[in-house]
Amino acid sequence: SAVISQKPSRDICQRGTSLTIQCQVDSQVTMMFWYRQQPGQSLTLIATANQGSEATYESGFVIDKFPISRPNLTFSTLTVSNMSPEDSSIYLCSVVPRLNTEAFFGQGTRLTVV
Amino acid sequence: GNSVTQMEGPVTLSEEAFLTINCTYTATGYPSLFWYVQYPGEGLQLLLKATKADDKGSNKGFEATYRKETTSFHLEKGSVQVSDSAVYFCAHTGNTPLVFGKGTRLSVIA
Repeated sequence: SAVISQKPSRDICQRGTSLTIQCQVDSQVTMMFWYRQQPGQSLTLIATANQGSEATYESGFVIDKFPISRPNLTFSTLTVSNMSPEDSSIYLCSVVPRLNTEAFFGQGTRLTVV
Repeated sequence: GNSVTQMEGPVTLSEEAFLTINCTYTATGYPSLFWYVQYPGEGLQLLLKATKADDKGSNKGFEATYRKETTSFHLEKGSVQVSDSAVYFCAHTGNTPLVFGKGTRLSVIA
């Protein structure tokens, strides 16, 4: 299993600013993922965060808007840049310790942009 | 392709009612199957899983059986409680990361 500490748990931000979300895992994992969950919706994968290389972004998400760092196998950050009210969502990090096994999730960051 | 289809919510039940949330999947090979639960204001937690055909996953009174012949993994609970109010997601390992359904919101009223 894996335990993930994600912070902040929530924030209210002004439009045009940026917020960095951190995820710390209690063990080394290769596969880490960032999701967005808009109000009342399912999970949308933003990107796969690979240690030692650039993140791989899904269609509709770009590095300039959602830069990701993965400096080691236990830590990652997602930045939501130049925020607008449309970025108000829950952001979740997730790890899959072994291929074809379950995913573990952080507690989520509830972001409100005003 | 890989996908998960689960019944749309919201589902509203009275306390002690029987719960079924349907889930069917499309995948290549033989994926592992999962149900996740998301309580208000929290991240997703694994509720139960099954890794091969005919396996039954169970936890906290919830059960689901891996039915390969019908590609289904329906979630059931015999008597729901108010504390079961949450969003439930069906998922499988047909891809990395997991393939998730859209979620079903359950509200249990006293």
